[in-house]
Amino acid sequence: GQSLEQPSEVTAVEGAIVQINCTYQTSGFYGLSWYQQHDGGAPTFLSYNALDGLEETGRFSSFLSRSDSYGYLLLQELQMKDSASYFCAVSPNTDKLIFGTGTRLQVFP
Amino acid sequence: EPEVTQTPSHQVTQMGQEVILRCVPISNHLYFYWYRQILGQKVEFLVSFYNNEISEKSEIFDDQFSVERPDGSNFTLKIRSTKLEDSAMYFCASSDQDNQPQHFGDGTRLSIL
Repeated sequence: GQSLEQPSEVTAVEGAIVQINCTYQTSGFYGLSWYQQHDGGAPTFLSYNALDGLEETGRFSSFLSRSDSYGYLLLQELQMKDSASYFCAVSPNTDKLIFGTGTRLQVFP
Repeated sequence: EPEVTQTPSHQVTQMGQEVILRCVPISNHLYFYWYRQILGQKVEFLVSFYNNEISEKSEIFDDQFSVERPDGSNFTLKIRSTKLEDSAMYFCASSDQDNQPQHFGDGTRLSIL
């Protein structure tokens, strides 16, 4: 089977740093993506890792360790607007994404 | 910034009726996808489409489902005889190459009565 595990909920205060972890078990692996989804909205692409290491995009960074089947999304200088659900998604092949169960991030003032 | 457009935003249909969900992918994209998300759950892959044929489909995508690219801009998902459990948000996505970031539309909320 294919599974991705994420914490269900994370809370933090404005200005803080938060890390959302993702562990995966899939039949194939081409890369790990991260998506943000506000309530009732579309998944919005944040970051993609195909190789081990850290990718930085502004306040967001994503890390991948293929040997550990593990990745994380790091959000820095948190803002209220970052309150949303965050999904990791694996590309087991080039034709689809398999999404994790999602982590609901609540940012407090 | 170019975006994926989906219509309608909300569709209410009687059980057993046919429904067609429409999508206009980003214009230079060649790979198209449908996903669904039941309320409060994760996003689930339905089907991928490239070069006018299905690349891959999930177990959810049974004989009641079909996809079509009727012209150079639209990409549709048809559910032939809807069931209550088809109620979900349906997202269309597109990418310019395979294994490249997929860009999602705002979704169609399908409610089956």
